[in-house]
Amino acid sequence: GENVEQHPSTLSVQEGDSAVIKCTYSDSASNYFPWYKQELGKGPQLIIDIRSNVGEKKDQRIAVTLNKTAKHFSLHITETQPEDSAVYFCAASNWLSGGYQKVTFGIGTKLQVIP
Amino acid sequence: GAVVSQHPSWVICKSGTSVKIECRSLDFQATTMFWYRQFPKQSLMLMATSNEGSKATYEQGVEKDKFLINHASLTLSTLTVTSAHPEDSSFYICSARDGKQGDNGEQYFGPGTRLTVT
Repeated sequence: GENVEQHPSTLSVQEGDSAVIKCTYSDSASNYFPWYKQELGKGPQLIIDIRSNVGEKKDQRIAVTLNKTAKHFSLHITETQPEDSAVYFCAASNWLSGGYQKVTFGIGTKLQVIP
Repeated sequence: GAVVSQHPSWVICKSGTSVKIECRSLDFQATTMFWYRQFPKQSLMLMATSNEGSKATYEQGVEKDKFLINHASLTLSTLTVTSAHPEDSSFYICSARDGKQGDNGEQYFGPGTRLTVT
């Protein structure tokens, strides 16, 4: 099955600096890579996603890159703000035989933005 | 749009009793719903995938007789934890895929349900 590794597990940055979180995946059949932000006591919220037919996607201060050959993808947050502090999860998704989708999550990165 | 709700948001029950958690897609029809379990400071672990009108597909190691999943309509799935024990205490999160979006893969997550078994 799919295995998603994520690092670092914790990350502290000064407000205004950039934060980078990296993930690798094992299953070359995975074709959809979402990133989620989870605040304490809440469910994950999708912040950006990328599909295997593109290499980079940007949405304001957030960008994601995908290297399909190396099987790794990264989240970049620029000009970080205190409200960016949360746990971020990467995930990889593919379709299994029988026609159902499975999403495998990374272990999460706790991001702390220091004012 | 694309809102998923869960009820209750938290529940405390006694060991041996059963608890039902509801997951609803409020503004779209969810052909597929997923149930996850999350322990403190850990990642989400998929428990089962359910398609409307059919039996759920459980992940390896998840007891289907203990975690009963029903997906009777396109907007509602329920997870029943039967004969709950303290080790079942966890954060249970559902997600749903919009059937109209076809194969694009995006899942919308509910806010989670905190279950504590005493």
